[in-house]
Amino acid sequence: RKEVEQDPGPFNVPEGATVAFNCTYSNSASQSFFWYRQDCRKEPKLLMSVYSSGNEDGRFTAQLNRASQYISLLIRDSKLSDSATYLCVVNPGGFKTIFGAGTRLFVKA
Amino acid sequence: NAGVTQTPKFRVLKTGQSMTLLCAQDMNHEYMYWYRQDPGMGLRLIHYSVGEGTTAKGEVPDGYNVSRLKKQNFLLGLESAAPSQTSVYFCASSRATSGTFNEQYFGPGTRLTVT
Repeated sequence: RKEVEQDPGPFNVPEGATVAFNCTYSNSASQSFFWYRQDCRKEPKLLMSVYSSGNEDGRFTAQLNRASQYISLLIRDSKLSDSATYLCVVNPGGFKTIFGAGTRLFVKA
Repeated sequence: NAGVTQTPKFRVLKTGQSMTLLCAQDMNHEYMYWYRQDPGMGLRLIHYSVGEGTTAKGEVPDGYNVSRLKKQNFLLGLESAAPSQTSVYFCASSRATSGTFNEQYFGPGTRLTVT
């Protein structure tokens, strides 16, 4: 079993739709969780951190479920510019940063 | 403020050739990292450095060497390239942490093909 697993997608949604991604992790001792965004043939960039209490940044909401060992990302009112690959990142402590393989999202007009 | 830069952007090598990838950051970050990204897989950590003059192995260090002679630079070397090292290489940097993970800033990547 991979340490961090994501549905690779692709998710094809129309503009204005709400879409949600899940990411599961295997190490129950993991400390920190993040979502990164990676555009095609570009470098990853931090989208948001995921806190135990959940957090929201505009149209984006991230949730953490420690009991079931997953994090989620919800995107509301999808824009064409949201088309990208979303990487789940888990830090079980120290420098062992684990990146998921990513979920591809296509938002269409 | 250029952030993290990488050279070269593209390179094609023949099996057995050597090369060095250069990463530079102007954010005065203590920590620097080298990752590789392959289709269907997440970024995997090759080597990392917590400061000038120090390096450590990551998840997939075999076939690579690194050096951090200056705080702003982190070099990744391939002594004898193999086709399995065909990949996209990303360098990243971050501030020093105190037990929690700080945001990593990535360079634009180097696309390496080994034939």
